[in-house]
Amino acid sequence: GESVGLHLPTLSVQEGDNSIINCAYSNSASDYFIWYKQESGKGPQFIIDIRSNMDKRQGQRVTVLLNKTVKHLSLQIAATQPGDSAVYFCAENIPGSGYALNFGKGTSLLVTP
Amino acid sequence: NAGVTQTPKFRVLKTGQSMTLLCAQDMNHEYMYWYRQDPGMGLRLIHYSVGEGTTAKGEVPDGYNVSRLKKQNFLLGLESAAPSQTSVYFCASSYLGTGMTEAFFGQGTRLTVV
Repeated sequence: GESVGLHLPTLSVQEGDNSIINCAYSNSASDYFIWYKQESGKGPQFIIDIRSNMDKRQGQRVTVLLNKTVKHLSLQIAATQPGDSAVYFCAENIPGSGYALNFGKGTSLLVTP
Repeated sequence: NAGVTQTPKFRVLKTGQSMTLLCAQDMNHEYMYWYRQDPGMGLRLIHYSVGEGTTAKGEVPDGYNVSRLKKQNFLLGLESAAPSQTSVYFCASSYLGTGMTEAFFGQGTRLTVV
């Protein structure tokens, strides 16, 4: 089946810098995309989502960009903090299955002082 | 507000044993899902439900069965556990309708089959 993948498995940034995590998707029928944060030993926590009729959406310190032409999704975190250290997953909806998701493998973000 | 609660949090099974994982949500969500997560991997969909009394297969359904007899509960059963089913299992639920469609996840059940 089609899959969601990530360009980089690990990302190390300094506290205060901006972080960018990238993701490629291949299912052109997907119309909903979402980013989750997962800390060690915990379940995924919702960060931000975006629908296919949008190309940008902003939250608190986070922005998601969607480029449907090249099937690319990115998560931008402004002024990265140590508490942002976690694994970040992008996911796309599986059409026709409620809002069941197809997850990528994740990017580990490490924020250093 | 508890959100999504999974029971148990940890379990060790012997090969061939059976068990049921319970997921309960108190948000009146229509949709519920079971995923598994293996080390260094993303989550993979096992089964899902779009409403009480309905279930459907996901990406990796073999070896698992599910039931959704009540809207708030989604049960995942392993009839004859195998070492390949050693994993962390996550339940999630989401709302039907526009907006607020993100899935809320439980804290996970860590299952080891020996």
